[in-house]
Amino acid sequence: QQQVKQSPQSLIVQKGGISIINCAYENTAFDYFPWYQQFPGKGPALLIAIRPDVSEKKEGRFTISFNKSAKQFSLHIMDSQPGDSATYFCAASPPGTYKYIFGTGTRLKVLA
Amino acid sequence: KAGVTQTPRYLIKTRGQQVTLSCSPISGHRSVSWYQQTPGQGLQFLFEYFSETQRNKGNFPGRFSGRQFSNSRSEMNVSTLELGDSALYLCASSLIQGSHLKYEQYFGPGTRLTVT
Repeated sequence: QQQVKQSPQSLIVQKGGISIINCAYENTAFDYFPWYQQFPGKGPALLIAIRPDVSEKKEGRFTISFNKSAKQFSLHIMDSQPGDSATYFCAASPPGTYKYIFGTGTRLKVLA
Repeated sequence: KAGVTQTPRYLIKTRGQQVTLSCSPISGHRSVSWYQQTPGQGLQFLFEYFSETQRNKGNFPGRFSGRQFSNSRSEMNVSTLELGDSALYLCASSLIQGSHLKYEQYFGPGTRLTVT
C-alpha cells in the first residue's frame, strides 16, 4: 500500500515531442505528489508538485495530470529538448508524515 | 540563496567502520530529511528531523542514526558499515512553518559513500 509504481522504465523521444511518464499508487490517503529530475552525479531537483485537490498543474513545459479516482498521476513534458535527458522520479507523501515514497525512476532520452 | 550543502561529497570506508555525514539546509528551512539512493533499491527514506526532533523514520536498521542541531544543520551516522551501505546519501530540506501543510523538499548533491 505504500508503493508508487512508475512507468515506463526508459523512454526515448524525438526533439520537440511530448514525453509522458506515469505513476500509480494504492494508498488513497497520500496527500502530496512531487516530481523530480536527476542528472548523473547530481541530487534530484524539484520540477513540479501537486496536491490531490487539483487535477492539473502546469509550470512552463511541465504539466502534472492527477486522476484521484484512478489513483494515477503523470508528468507531461511538452516540446522535449535534448537538455531534458535525465532520470525522472515521481513521489507521494503519506498523510501525517513529511517523507516521500519514490517511484523507481524513468530514464528519458531526447534525441536531437 | 544557497542550496542544500552536504559534506563530504565522496567517502571511502572499510567494512566495520562508522561514518558521519553532514547536511546544511537552505537558510530558513527547518526540516531536514535523509534518503539513501542505490541502483537496486532506488530512493529510500531514512528519517526526517524538525526542531532537533526526529518525526519520521524509515525501515532501516538501528545502525543508521541522525540528529539535528539548533541551527537546523543535520548529521547522519552509520555504524558498523556493511558493503550494502554503499550508496548516494541525499539530504533534503523543507520550509516548515508549523502547519500540517507540506512544502517542497529541496535536495543537496549527496554524499557518495563507498564501503570496501
